Amino acid sequence: NAGVTQTPKFQVLKTGQSMTLQCAQDMNHNSMYWYRQDPGMGLRLIYYSASEGTTDKGEVPNGYNVSRLNKREFSLRLESAAPSQTSVYFCASSRGGKETQYFGPGTRLLVL
Amino acid sequence: DQQVKQNSPSLSVQEGRISILNCDYTNSMFDYFLWYKKYPAEGPTFLISISSIKDKNEDGRFTVFLNKSAKHLSLHIVPSQPGDSAVYFCAARPGIGVKLIFGTGTRLQVFP
Repeated sequence: NAGVTQTPKFQVLKTGQSMTLQCAQDMNHNSMYWYRQDPGMGLRLIYYSASEGTTDKGEVPNGYNVSRLNKREFSLRLESAAPSQTSVYFCASSRGGKETQYFGPGTRLLVL
Repeated sequence: DQQVKQNSPSLSVQEGRISILNCDYTNSMFDYFLWYKKYPAEGPTFLISISSIKDKNEDGRFTVFLNKSAKHLSLHIVPSQPGDSAVYFCAARPGIGVKLIFGTGTRLQVFP
């Protein structure tokens, strides 16, 4: 039981490049989330998926897209990376929308 | 507009003593509060939570207190141990929806 896994662990991009961050959970959770963590800002919600087949915007969705591929997987895509997207990205999942969220280990992204 | 505030960025406590981490919030519609603990290069892990209908919840060395009139939340760790050294995030959930609003975190250092 690996919990929530994220790939890659670390990535360097040039401005304008695109990439997809992958997230998978093996806890049979219904809800999944993407957060970013920046110094002095705490964790901010980018997008979430309350259940398979649905996605909604969080606090800071601009510049990102998401796909809930199936119940296990929730990916985050940066179509044209910007230096302001340099951050640590965390994926999380929960059994239901009101349940405790469990986090993955994070992806460190550096955009030059 | 920071709805959940952790005004102390850091706290240093001697091993065996009590650690008290504080959190203030502005939205009276929050119905659930959580504390997460985060080690470097890892994702946040759930520590303890409290419903807005309670004023105290205890789990081993960890106790969370909620003062609704003051819109204040605190986490007590007794006795503190070196392994408790981490960043602690307070989070709150609005009554409607699935989002969590996180504070900016407090770095706790427990020294021998």
